[in-house]
Amino acid sequence: DTEVTQTPKHLVMGMTNKKSLKCEQHMGHRAMYWYKQKAKKPPELMFVYSYEKLSINESVPSRFSPECPNSSLLNLHLHALQPEDSALYLCASRFEVSTDTQYFGPGTRLTVL
Amino acid sequence: GENVEQHPSTLSVQEGDSAVIKCTYSDSASNYFPWYKQELGKGPQLIIDIRSNVGEKKDQRIAVTLNKTAKHFSLHITETQPEDSAVYFCAAETGANNLFFGTGTRLTVIP
Repeated sequence: DTEVTQTPKHLVMGMTNKKSLKCEQHMGHRAMYWYKQKAKKPPELMFVYSYEKLSINESVPSRFSPECPNSSLLNLHLHALQPEDSALYLCASRFEVSTDTQYFGPGTRLTVL
Repeated sequence: GENVEQHPSTLSVQEGDSAVIKCTYSDSASNYFPWYKQELGKGPQLIIDIRSNVGEKKDQRIAVTLNKTAKHFSLHITETQPEDSAVYFCAAETGANNLFFGTGTRLTVIP
């Protein structure tokens, strides 16, 4: 099973709302990632978790707050977002940060009104 | 940081023909080069990858070649089929284990 699941598939929120994105994998991977992808652009790295600890934050605004409650689950908490934050948010995982294949989930399509 | 350039941005081929997508990278320390296929509304799917100690790798109709000296790598798809139509991204991974993606190629296979 090489599946990374993400919920919800679509999310529409206002600028004052608080919402969360969820990512799950059961492959025993210890490295998990959040990427942001704007239309017709490549994915951009936001956060990296290694063994449930945040190891990389690519200067992401504090209105995005990641959380890794356990080795299978990764959340992205959203608060006071801007319309320009509308994008596809992708989760990925790999066995460890130093191993090869990153497996991507299907993404959450976020629209901020 | 790493900079990955990808060409062409769009590519149309007739079914059965070959397609070639090329990427260059800037960081000589990059050592892992995956290719991802992304269909509309889906996440990127790994189709093939290569490490810097290998010059070529093939998996059925898909092959990747790497020239470390010139810092470029290419994706070759033979006998293209309509279901190969998608956006393809190359990527390079540095020693910091971060993936840097190319700008993508929209491949259209015309039946």
